[in-house]
Amino acid sequence: QQQVKQSPQSLIVQKGGISIINCAYENTAFDYFPWYQQFPGKGPALLIAIRPDVSEKKEGRFTISFNKSAKQFSLHIMDSQPGDSATYFCAASIRQAGTALIFGKGTTLSVSS
Amino acid sequence: SAVISQKPSRDICQRGTSLTIQCQVDSQVTMMFWYRQQPGQSLTLIATANQGSEATYESGFVIDKFPISRPNLTFSTLTVSNMSPEDSSIYLCSVEWGEGTQYFGPGTRLTVL
Repeated sequence: QQQVKQSPQSLIVQKGGISIINCAYENTAFDYFPWYQQFPGKGPALLIAIRPDVSEKKEGRFTISFNKSAKQFSLHIMDSQPGDSATYFCAASIRQAGTALIFGKGTTLSVSS
Repeated sequence: SAVISQKPSRDICQRGTSLTIQCQVDSQVTMMFWYRQQPGQSLTLIATANQGSEATYESGFVIDKFPISRPNLTFSTLTVSNMSPEDSSIYLCSVEWGEGTQYFGPGTRLTVL
């Protein structure tokens, strides 16, 4: 019930291509779904987040798609760049104060030039 | 957003010793969290630290091993006690910034020999 399943574990994309990372959850009480980007030696940085009242959110080259009925959400990185090479984590939580994030296992993205 | 610092940024310790990690936030926050990230792995919640009350620990983490202090709304410490090589990890603090948003510190990289 508390798990967030993330796929793929690793991803190699050509420069300029689209990177797609998928996550699925079971707990229907989750109402906040962020994505974090982590570079080696750094802490996770909040990239973009969505709430279940919308099906899509776009910020620059990054888009979250959300399918409430399927309990799935995904991150799309358009025009992927070598600087996007990092580990990406999806997460989920219940927005009431004090509820921690449940993280997926992460996806290591490599964008080749 | 919140600016979070951690001290030390990294340390190498001998087994059987203890290390206290500090987390400082530039704004007052109610909820702080401590996570562990083992090499190449995802983030696992250790405990939630609410100012003015005892920390709440997740299954598998106990107060004797990971005592936490939360003396005010901008500061928290996590101590890793009686360390073993299995405690070698990145330890991360995060803060809840409203509506579920969490920001992370840069992490403390601990190696236990």
